[in-house]
Amino acid sequence: EVQVVESGGGLVQPGGSLRLSCAASGFTFSSYWMSWVRQAPGKGLEWVANIKQDGSEKYYVDSVKGRFTISRDNAKNSLYLQMNSLRAEDTAVYYCARAGLTGYYMDVWGKGTTVTVSS
Amino acid sequence: DIQMTQSPSTLSASVGDRVTITCRASQSISSWLAWYQQKPGKAPKLLIYKASSLESGVPSRFSGSGSGTEFTLTISSLQPDDFATYYCQQYNSYSFTFGPGTKVDIK
Repeated sequence: EVQVVESGGGLVQPGGSLRLSCAASGFTFSSYWMSWVRQAPGKGLEWVANIKQDGSEKYYVDSVKGRFTISRDNAKNSLYLQMNSLRAEDTAVYYCARAGLTGYYMDVWGKGTTVTVSS
Repeated sequence: DIQMTQSPSTLSASVGDRVTITCRASQSISSWLAWYQQKPGKAPKLLIYKASSLESGVPSRFSGSGSGTEFTLTISSLQPDDFATYYCQQYNSYSFTFGPGTKVDIK
């Protein structure tokens, strides 16, 4: 079964750090772009970052540039999101998603992991 | 950055109705548009990619059309399982913006 499973969410104080992980299975992880998408409580979807198959290209939404880093380990079939200098507005469910083979739409999604930034 | 808008923001409809949702981009995105369905507490589900290509396993009552800056998602005959929020997403540029969503609820 093709799936991605996120982990690593939790409660963190403003200014703190958190590392999210995404474990992929059922497909050749190294053949796909991967993305992180978030959804604040009661709000819409927001693309956060994505990374090329070999990690050589990475893109971020402006609001997280310089604070978040996306990375991957193809040997472990895993995607990561290192989040530093967290703010209250980063509170959201974070989804790991696989990009399609023919474009940057997202065809496989995890169930999400919740990040809460609060003192 | 490319901005996406959707209309309406909420749509009340009955089972069997034909439903159309519109998505507009602030500049041309060719056909680089996807549609997703999301139910409360669940992850989004891909319905349509490249504006009009139906994702495998998605019922044929869903269809997409458009190019450039204006796109539509049509549900030909609304089913009980279709009550959800629908998002468009552009992937023309490396800032992959989503629309604000359209909630389809029961009339």
